[in-house]
Amino acid sequence: GESVGLHLPTLSVQEGDNSIINCAYSNSASDYFIWYKQESGKGPQFIIDIRSNMDKRQGQRVTVLLNKTVKHLSLQIAATQPGDSAVYFCAENRVDSSYKLIFGSGTRLLVRP
Amino acid sequence: EADIYQTPRYLVIGTGKKITLECSQTMGHDKMYWYQQDPGMELHLIHYSYGVNSTEKGDLSSESTVSRIRTEHFPLTLESARPSHTSQYLCASSTRQGFAEAFFGQGTRLTVV
Repeated sequence: GESVGLHLPTLSVQEGDNSIINCAYSNSASDYFIWYKQESGKGPQFIIDIRSNMDKRQGQRVTVLLNKTVKHLSLQIAATQPGDSAVYFCAENRVDSSYKLIFGSGTRLLVRP
Repeated sequence: EADIYQTPRYLVIGTGKKITLECSQTMGHDKMYWYQQDPGMELHLIHYSYGVNSTEKGDLSSESTVSRIRTEHFPLTLESARPSHTSQYLCASSTRQGFAEAFFGQGTRLTVV
């Protein structure tokens, strides 16, 4: 079936370095994508979103890139900090009759001091 | 901070018991979701609702049922709990508009012994 999947289950980076988390999606009808951060014992928290009519969107220390040609989404975190350690999920929100929010498998980001 | 609450946070219950997981939001959101998540794994949509008296099954088959009698309340019920139901259950809500992120509760960690 259709899915949103992540390339890497775990990413380990040095504090201060930039992190890049990747996500592939398969539903070309999806036109809205969201990155969530989930810390241990908590529900996912919204980080940043992007619509399909955009290629790039920037937030505070985070940037999301969308490549619709290859159905690829990435989250870039600048100057990674220990507080960034968490599991990151991409999700697609299909604007069709269902309006379902579908999640990928997640990437665990570990920040080395 | 999102105003969506789940109770209980943790629940240990015996096989065969009936349980209801509570979820309430004070944001007036039309859409509400239930996701099931095993530790370190992706979120699977098990139920969702577009509004009062609307409920739909998600992508992951579940033996649970839901109801939506009031906008703010979306309880999930297991008539007869089994060890295979052991998991974390996350509730979320969002506005009815197409481009809108979902806000999550803290989750209920259910253990069936």
